[in-house]
Amino acid sequence: AQSVTQLGSHVSVSEGALVLLRCNYSSSVPPYLFWYVQYPNQGLQLLLKYTTGATLVKGINGFEAEFKKSETSFHLTKPSAHMSDAAEYFCAVSGRGGSNYKLTFGKGTLLTVNP
Amino acid sequence: GAGVSQTPSNKVTEKGKYVELRCDPISGHTALYWYRQSLGQGPEFLIYFQGTGAADDSGLPNDRFFAVRPEGSVSTLKIQRTERGDSAVYLCASSAGVGGPGEQYFGPGTRLTVT
Repeated sequence: AQSVTQLGSHVSVSEGALVLLRCNYSSSVPPYLFWYVQYPNQGLQLLLKYTTGATLVKGINGFEAEFKKSETSFHLTKPSAHMSDAAEYFCAVSGRGGSNYKLTFGKGTLLTVNP
Repeated sequence: GAGVSQTPSNKVTEKGKYVELRCDPISGHTALYWYRQSLGQGPEFLIYFQGTGAADDSGLPNDRFFAVRPEGSVSTLKIQRTERGDSAVYLCASSAGVGGPGEQYFGPGTRLTVT
């Protein structure tokens, strides 16, 4: 069975500071990996995903994530936080092959950005 | 274009009552998913439709939960004899089809409160 651990349920940064949201997964084989963002009263929106190929993945809004197989990690970063980045962020995995539709989510990390 | 819509946005019901939650996917999307998000948790997979058929209903918690998609478009999640533990946000998502981990587009959710 797959699982996702997001370290830190709440991360607070200053505007302009580096954003680092941590995600580790447990899976018998390297899964597909995703980061979603959820703004209040809105649906989850895909930020980026890793399926194959280059391990550094660039997404929308200046976010990127690096798949590190040896560390079973897929941490999300952004060099400079904006106030508009304040939201909840979810890391998710899915299996390869026939089960690639089933997303398993972490518990989420709430990002606050201070002026 | 229109995204995934869910109705109602909020539903309050008494313990023991029956409820129906509706999902309108993005037009042309053949795959549809239901997830449940409890307070402080990430979304949890409930069921996946490919076309009209439920391809995977392994996430439904018990036989009080049932979902249909009779014409391969709109889906209804039905909960019988609701319990207070059913209180959660129910999310619907759709994607373009099979093959690869296609992006799932999420609706804003229906917040169900069982009193």
